[in-house]
Amino acid sequence: NAGVTQTPKFQVLKTGQSMTLQCAQDMNHEYMSWYRQDPGMGLRLIHYSVGAGITDQGEVPNGYNVSRSTTEDFPLRLLSAAPSQTSVYFCASSLQGGKGGYTFGSGTRLTVV
Amino acid sequence: RKEVEQDPGPFNVPEGATVAFNCTYSNSASQSFFWYRQDCRKEPKLLMSVYSSGNEDGRFTAQLNRASQYISLLIRDSKLSDSATYLCVVNQIQGAQKLVFGQGTRLTINP
Repeated sequence: NAGVTQTPKFQVLKTGQSMTLQCAQDMNHEYMSWYRQDPGMGLRLIHYSVGAGITDQGEVPNGYNVSRSTTEDFPLRLLSAAPSQTSVYFCASSLQGGKGGYTFGSGTRLTVV
Repeated sequence: RKEVEQDPGPFNVPEGATVAFNCTYSNSASQSFFWYRQDCRKEPKLLMSVYSSGNEDGRFTAQLNRASQYISLLIRDSKLSDSATYLCVVNQIQGAQKLVFGQGTRLTINP
């Protein structure tokens, strides 16, 4: 099915461990982004990309890295996980300018202990 | 002040009632506007885009007032399946393209 695929769906990490959250889309969307959702905070933008080779920081980028080597993939890396990064992470993509709205992946529920 | 503000609720209404959600945004350069629906432990899904002329999709009507930077969503004849969190979302493309979310309004429709 066309859309945004996120893996894994669930993950438990120990403080200090690293991991990569995967995001892939097959809609040829130029724009891809990562959000985190915490209770009472709404969704907040971590990093985004307007095309292959181009990334930029969002509202809450600290502790996260991204890269965009292809149009389809936009992985999010946690280099040294902290309990404050316990959250639900969503990847979203759209055409340039957000035309037609944004499509979200099903989310990754991350717990850092 | 948050860029997008909406009443967090919760709203508890009986089936068949009419429900109205309001939202304000602070960035006048905001380009496009949406209502998303999010079910518990699921991803947000696009409910409808919002246009200045107002738009309707079945029981749902959305309005945008750019002058007062105000967005609304009206749900008529509410169904049990309308229970969800409704997110007011603003798309900004000046400088950097990004979606800015309100914190969401939780709606429960009671039988």
